[in-house]
Amino acid sequence: DTAVSQTPKYLVTQMGNDKSIKCEQNLGHDTMYWYKQDSKKFLKIMFSYNNKELIINETVPNRFSPKSPDKAHLNLHINSLELGDSAVYFCASSQGGRGWGNTIYFGEGSWLTVV
Amino acid sequence: TQLLEQSPQFLSIQEGENLTVYCNSSSVFSSLQWYRQEPGEGPVLLVTVVTGGEVKKLKRLTFQFGDARKDSSLHITAAQPGDTGLYLCAGGVGIQGAQKLVFGQGTRLTINP
Repeated sequence: DTAVSQTPKYLVTQMGNDKSIKCEQNLGHDTMYWYKQDSKKFLKIMFSYNNKELIINETVPNRFSPKSPDKAHLNLHINSLELGDSAVYFCASSQGGRGWGNTIYFGEGSWLTVV
Repeated sequence: TQLLEQSPQFLSIQEGENLTVYCNSSSVFSSLQWYRQEPGEGPVLLVTVVTGGEVKKLKRLTFQFGDARKDSSLHITAAQPGDTGLYLCAGGVGIQGAQKLVFGQGTRLTINP
């Protein structure tokens, strides 16, 4: 079984549409993340939830809204998609607690292309 | 703003050669992590170093954390074609049960047979 799974893996959509990416982890972790990787492979954190509570919220347009129904799931909803939103979105998870030093496990990524 | 400068961004060498990738910052991090990312997949953790001056070895790979915990290096001895890939360094900052990773730009390594 895949530890951190994301759906869909590929998504092509038109500007102005609203789309969601879903993420689930079966590692029993209580912290989950969304990262964005641009075309130059630069990875940047967007959000993090710990036990369903939002604890990291980087400078991200408010068109992006994460939702964590339980600690095993973290979904990302994007409204009014723009061309610049095209990227690979990675979900990840880790065990909470002290925070630092805990291994972060990444999903395989969701390739979003906005046309 | 915490930044990590990773160099070189591209490196192409012959099989059997040695190489070093550097990761530098003006910020102090709780940990420094090295990842490898294959095409179409997410980053996979290679190693975490948390103590200033720490050195860890993983077969032909040697990772070092700077004394001041602001920089790190990855050294590969006798590189092999299987080492080809994207290597990412990331500085870790602990925040309330989470860990924010600040990534470098990545080093795309190509080992030619």
